[in-house]
Amino acid sequence: GAVVSQHPSRVICKSGTSVKIECRSLDFQATTMFWYRQFPKQSLMLMATSNEGSKATYEQGVEKDKFLINHASLTLSTLTVTSAHPEDSSFYICSARDATPEQFFGPGTRLTVL
Amino acid sequence: SQELEQSPQSLIVQEGKNLTINCTSSKTLYGLYWYKQKYGEGLIFLMMLQKGGEEKSHEKITAKLDEKKQQSSLHITASQPSHAGIYLCGADSNDYKLSFGAGTTVTVRA
Repeated sequence: GAVVSQHPSRVICKSGTSVKIECRSLDFQATTMFWYRQFPKQSLMLMATSNEGSKATYEQGVEKDKFLINHASLTLSTLTVTSAHPEDSSFYICSARDATPEQFFGPGTRLTVL
Repeated sequence: SQELEQSPQSLIVQEGKNLTINCTSSKTLYGLYWYKQKYGEGLIFLMMLQKGGEEKSHEKITAKLDEKKQQSSLHITASQPSHAGIYLCGADSNDYKLSFGAGTTVTVRA
């Protein structure tokens, strides 16, 4: 199947700093990428949908100024958590799809904010 | 949003035994996805079902979507330790945004 990578896999940062997470589709062009977060022992919650070259659409309750998403190319989307706080600590996972309905997920990024 | 209920929440099976996980939707599904996740890792795509009555198999895993497209089941035959993990069903409401069930944790005992 298609491969999606995320970088970094783990990040620890101090409260108030910003953290950037990259999501790349390695062997296909992703017209759409999705960002999810997952709290311990819970399921995935969709945060936003990102289409190449256009602004991301955010789900209700997700602060767009806090979670900046950029989908600059057909193989790369970035999520920046700005002014991170301990409550932002979570597991962030991206997924990507091309013209087909299947979605392929990255390995996730574990963010810990001290 | 699409409400998905998965059952059971968790199950323990003896190696070699079969198991079934169910996923029920409150609305008609446009597409139903099954994924497997190891705790703290990404999701591995298993199968996607779109048509009522559709059934797909891959190795020892079979997934079915009922005719009304509101219920899906995932069946594993002759389970092995490699089948252990968290199984998630995801529903597509025709906009490719997935909403997920709470997951089923599968433990396979040798």
